[in-house]
Amino acid sequence: GQNIDQPTEMTATEGAIVQINCTYQTSGFNGLFWYQQHAGEAPTFLSYNVLDGLEEKGRFSSFLSRSKGYSYLLLKELQMKDSASYLCAVRAAVLKDSNYQLIWGAGTKLIIKP
Amino acid sequence: NAGVMQNPRHLVRRRGQEARLRCSPMKGHSHVYWYRQLPEEGLKFMVYLQKENIIDESGMPKERFSAEFPKEGPSILRIQQVVRGDSAAYFCASSGTGSHNSPLHFGNGTRLTVT
Repeated sequence: GQNIDQPTEMTATEGAIVQINCTYQTSGFNGLFWYQQHAGEAPTFLSYNVLDGLEEKGRFSSFLSRSKGYSYLLLKELQMKDSASYLCAVRAAVLKDSNYQLIWGAGTKLIIKP
Repeated sequence: NAGVMQNPRHLVRRRGQEARLRCSPMKGHSHVYWYRQLPEEGLKFMVYLQKENIIDESGMPKERFSAEFPKEGPSILRIQQVVRGDSAAYFCASSGTGSHNSPLHFGNGTRLTVT
């Protein structure tokens, strides 16, 4: 079966750094995405990893280890507006003909405190 | 800003009625995806369409649910004879290609409440 695990909720302090982990067990792998979703709003794209290593984009970085089925999203210099849910999604083969779909984690709710 | 447009934003239906959810993809996008999301849960894939074709409907319930993406006009997700369990947020997303690294652009969703 397909499984993606993320912590349900995390709390961090404004100005600090936080790491949100995502582990996955999927049949086939063709990339991992991170999205941000504020309450009541649409998910917005943050990052994409398909090769092992770190991708840096401003205050946000995303890391992937395919051998470990593991990714993390690193947020630096946290701001109050970063309070949101962070969704990990893996593109995995779900059908016999290897048609790929995005499998979504339940999301990590990040709470930023002053 | 021609992002993904969904309407209505909120929809209330009584049990047994029909719900029609509309999605206009970003300009230039021909790939449309529908997802369902329950509170505190992840997005659940329902269906993937290109213009006039259903590519993958493996996430759609076999009964009461249908989707289309006509040559002209928005994509429609139709739920017949709604039940309370259909209450959820329904998100539409579009992409310019079906490529594996093409990110999805989401609309603001339609929140369906069945009373």
